[in-house]
Amino acid sequence: NAGVTQTPKFQVLKTGQSMTLQCAQDMNHEYMSWYRQDPGMGLRLIHYSVGAGITDQGEVPNGYNVSRSTTEDFPLRLLSAAPSQTSVYFCASNSGTATYGYTFGSGTRLTVV
Amino acid sequence: GQQLNQSPQSMFIQEGEDVSMNCTSSSIFNTWLWYKQDPGEGPVLLIALYKAGELTSNGRLTAQFGITRKDSFLNISASIPSDVGIYFCAGRSYQTGANNLFFGTGTRLTVIP
Repeated sequence: NAGVTQTPKFQVLKTGQSMTLQCAQDMNHEYMSWYRQDPGMGLRLIHYSVGAGITDQGEVPNGYNVSRSTTEDFPLRLLSAAPSQTSVYFCASNSGTATYGYTFGSGTRLTVV
Repeated sequence: GQQLNQSPQSMFIQEGEDVSMNCTSSSIFNTWLWYKQDPGEGPVLLIALYKAGELTSNGRLTAQFGITRKDSFLNISASIPSDVGIYFCAGRSYQTGANNLFFGTGTRLTVIP
């Protein structure tokens, strides 16, 4: 099925560890983004990309890196995990026009201990 | 980031009742979107609004883009148990990057059979 695929679905990290959250879409969407969801705070934009080779920061980028080497993939890297990064992470994509909503992945639940 | 205030935070209603929720922004948006999130899943688009004053329906759901462009409303008629979930408003403003969405804090809906 076409859509946005996120892996892993669950992850537990120790403080200071690094890891990469994977996101792939097969809809040839130019725009991809990462959000984190915390209780009572809705979804907040971490980083986004308007096409291969182009990335930019969102509302809460500190502690995260992204790259976009292909149209399909948009990985999110945690450089040195902190308990404050415990959250549910969602990847989303969009065709790039202003008239369509986003397609979201099913999320990665990350716990940093 | 943009401030989106969504109310109410939670609702407990009897099956068959109608539901209303709203979202207000501190700034003007060009697009308003309403999403629903089921447990363990990413948000799914319900309705998209593109013009001030626009009223759009999707089955039992009706949403409106406020005239001031700073608010939006979602109504659900004759609620059923599968309406349970978290409903998010989201707005997009050309001033902050045409494809970046800002989300409300969500309304958690519980439907009592």
